[in-house]
Amino acid sequence: KAGVTQTPRYLIKTRGQQVTLSCSPISGHRSVSWYQQTPGQGLQFLFEYFSETQRNKGNFPGRFSGRQFSNSRSEMNVSTLELGDSALYLCASSQFGAGTPYEQYFGPGTRLTVT
Amino acid sequence: GENVEQHPSTLSVQEGDSAVIKCTYSDSASNYFPWYKQELGKRPQLIIDIRSNVGEKKDQRIAVTLNKTAKHFSLHITETQPEDSAVYFCAASRGTGNQFYFGTGTSLTVIP
Repeated sequence: KAGVTQTPRYLIKTRGQQVTLSCSPISGHRSVSWYQQTPGQGLQFLFEYFSETQRNKGNFPGRFSGRQFSNSRSEMNVSTLELGDSALYLCASSQFGAGTPYEQYFGPGTRLTVT
Repeated sequence: GENVEQHPSTLSVQEGDSAVIKCTYSDSASNYFPWYKQELGKRPQLIIDIRSNVGEKKDQRIAVTLNKTAKHFSLHITETQPEDSAVYFCAASRGTGNQFYFGTGTSLTVIP
């Protein structure tokens, strides 16, 4: 099976702009989660989508949003970019079982730099 | 919410020695504990995981132990090799979907 893919791999944006990142999960995986990875904060959970519905949400401001399509592909959007949003954004896909977390498989990430 | 603490932040061992990384968690409802290895510039990769109904799990040179009472779990790597050098992350999830809380990582260096 093909692994999790993310596009674009690198992105440079200016403060105040918005950005959309894309994630394609492993075939058959219905859950997609997004994480922000920074040297100081490690991996922080943004949100999880399953069957086009946001199932869980982390402690990030409303500028961070996402969605999932019927083919399980997911997008993440960040509006009004701030310098502190510079980070590696990772998505992870997983099978889903009610009440049971499953193994997550990560994509290569999108490196976002805000100037 | 859940809080996962990981120690040490850096670890250097001689090739062939063992390495141990420890994590504690705060939410007693957490029931799934994966470990990820992230090499420089690469994606985190799942190396081993354990569920709360199991106390220990082994996979070749890697083992994970879980103490639910004390709310801590540990990664053990035996006979370390230079290719084990990477950053290792522990994580915890409480079973309400795939929301994982990660430790801050341990940078392991295996000295040949």
